[in-house]
Amino acid sequence: NAGVTQTPKFQVLKTGQSMTLQCAQDMNHNSMYWYRQDPGMGLRLIYYSASEGTTDKGEVPNGYNVSRLNKREFSLRLESAAPSQTSVYFCASSFEDRAGNTIYFGEGSWLTVV
Amino acid sequence: QQQVKQSPQSLIVQKGGISIINCAYENTAFDYFPWYQQFPGKGPALLIAIRPDVSEKKEGRFTISFNKSAKQFSLHIMDSQPGDSATYFCAASRRGSTLGRLYFGRGTQLTVWP
Repeated sequence: NAGVTQTPKFQVLKTGQSMTLQCAQDMNHNSMYWYRQDPGMGLRLIYYSASEGTTDKGEVPNGYNVSRLNKREFSLRLESAAPSQTSVYFCASSFEDRAGNTIYFGEGSWLTVV
Repeated sequence: QQQVKQSPQSLIVQKGGISIINCAYENTAFDYFPWYQQFPGKGPALLIAIRPDVSEKKEGRFTISFNKSAKQFSLHIMDSQPGDSATYFCAASRRGSTLGRLYFGRGTQLTVWP
């Protein structure tokens, strides 16, 4: 059971370049997310998708776009990378039961913009 | 506005000691409070969670204490071990909301010295 898989794990970009982070989950979850993690800032939500075909902005959406390709896949695109986008990016998916909303994270993608 | 405030930012504990991490929230609609554990190079993973209808939940050496009137909850790690060294995030959400999205604290980096 792979859970949440995201690629690439490491990437170095030059300022102005574009790239797409790929994410797929095999847990049949409806909800998917992209977070970024920066030192001292915790996990900040970039975009989320409650279901296939829907996406919504989170706390820090500027400079990013997303696509919920199908129920399994949720990609994050940087159209024109900036040094401020140097971060660790986590894709996640979740289900909600009687207890609450349990989020499962991928292993992370380390992005450096020079 | 930060929905969940977490302290301390870093914590150093001797092996066998008690680690205590505190969180506070403002939104009284929150009714699910999980803690996530993150090891270096990995994504966060659910550690333990509590609902506000109980004041305490214990799983092994990990205990969540919840004070509804004070809008505070805390994680206690008893008999702390070097293997507990990780970053811990508290979070809060409201079940049944549009997405049930989690609001994370900024994290506490715990180091347990042998």
